[in-house]
Amino acid sequence: DAGVIQSPRHEVTEMGQEVTLRCKPISGHNSLFWYRQTMMRGLELLIYFNNNVPIDDSGMPEDRFSAKMPNASFSTLKIQPSEPRDSAVYFCASRPGPGDEQYFGPGTRLTVT
Amino acid sequence: QQQVKQSPQSLIVQKGGISIINCAYENTAFDYFPWYQQFPGKGPALLIAIRPDVSEKKEGRFTISFNKSAKQFSLHIMDSQPGDSATYFCAASMGGSQGNLIFGKGTKLSVKP
Repeated sequence: DAGVIQSPRHEVTEMGQEVTLRCKPISGHNSLFWYRQTMMRGLELLIYFNNNVPIDDSGMPEDRFSAKMPNASFSTLKIQPSEPRDSAVYFCASRPGPGDEQYFGPGTRLTVT
Repeated sequence: QQQVKQSPQSLIVQKGGISIINCAYENTAFDYFPWYQQFPGKGPALLIAIRPDVSEKKEGRFTISFNKSAKQFSLHIMDSQPGDSATYFCAASMGGSQGNLIFGKGTKLSVKP
């Protein structure tokens, strides 16, 4: 099993540009999570999906952030427009079902200049 | 409001020594307490987890001690090895392992040879 796949692994963009981060969960997992990791705030949950449906997006910091899961094998996190304070490592994680551990991807390091 | 407080931020231990990382929580509804291990450039991975009905759980060199009355739990790494050098996160959630995880800010452990 390839594990959770995230792309790109690194992204450098200028302030104001649109950024799209991608995630492919482990096949058969029915929950997907997006996290943001910074030195100041640690690991924060942004949003999670169950069976492709967003369940809790209370962690999404602003309307500039949006996430979609069009099918069970793909999710995107979009930031538009991006700002320097969005610079962080963004992790995607998936889980087989309730009561199971979360499996994290390798993360996308985003730098907004 | 930080619901899970982790200390220390960083820890240096000699090879063969005991590493101890502490976490405290506020919400008495939490009922699942995992520890995650993160190596540089990788996503966090579940190391060991405990529920409040037991006071201790041991897996190999890793032990979680749980004090429900004090609302504290800790990770002990016995016979610490250089390969244990990583960042460790405690977390807590409600509703068993179905719930969302709230992470501590992490402890960077360095084990010196």
